[in-house]
Amino acid sequence: DVKVTQSSRYLVKRTGEKVFLECVQDMDHENMFWYRQDPGLGLRLIYFSYDVKMKEKGDIPEGYSVSREKKERFSLILESASTNQTSMYLCASRSGLAGADEQFFGPGTRLTVL
Amino acid sequence: AQSVAQPEDQVNVAEGNPLTVKCTYSVSGNPYLFWYVQYPNRGLQFLLKYITGDNLVKGSYGFEAEFNKSQTSFHLKKPSALVSDSALYFCAVRDGGKGRRALTFGSGTRLQVQP
Repeated sequence: DVKVTQSSRYLVKRTGEKVFLECVQDMDHENMFWYRQDPGLGLRLIYFSYDVKMKEKGDIPEGYSVSREKKERFSLILESASTNQTSMYLCASRSGLAGADEQFFGPGTRLTVL
Repeated sequence: AQSVAQPEDQVNVAEGNPLTVKCTYSVSGNPYLFWYVQYPNRGLQFLLKYITGDNLVKGSYGFEAEFNKSQTSFHLKKPSALVSDSALYFCAVRDGGKGRRALTFGSGTRLQVQP
């Protein structure tokens, strides 16, 4: 069974704080993704990574950065949290093998910025 | 660019009746299409996918979806709904050619099955 874990289920931070969201997968997947989920907007891609130290911007990268120093770990960083970053954050991973199409999701981190 | 539209925010159906959740897509290359389900306070769970082959694909929990290339649609269906099917459903697409490696999701449709 593929397992994608996220460091926190719920997180409350203050405006201006630096926030780290951690994601770990145990299936040696090459590709990892960060999405945010907001009511009525579905899931929007923030950043993804297709290899260690490689990253690409998604649809809404502003205000976020990412780090992938090890294959199994993909971190999302909010440099200076703002109230409009209050959201559910979902991490996902997918194998890089041909024919491996499914993305596996973690349980999500609900972040509140006060 | 790739995009997905789920035109219904909510679908209500009585238990035992057939259900349909609609999805249309846009990609420049070959579409890889997916349905995911999200139960309260949970991550997304994979239901089914269309990559190539038969236009009717079967997935988990008795769900199926029909790929229609001319209408660029991938509607999710189930012959007989259960109360336990009540959840949030997301359609997603990826360009199977040289496109992005990430899925693009629709806005989601909440399915409510009444007893």
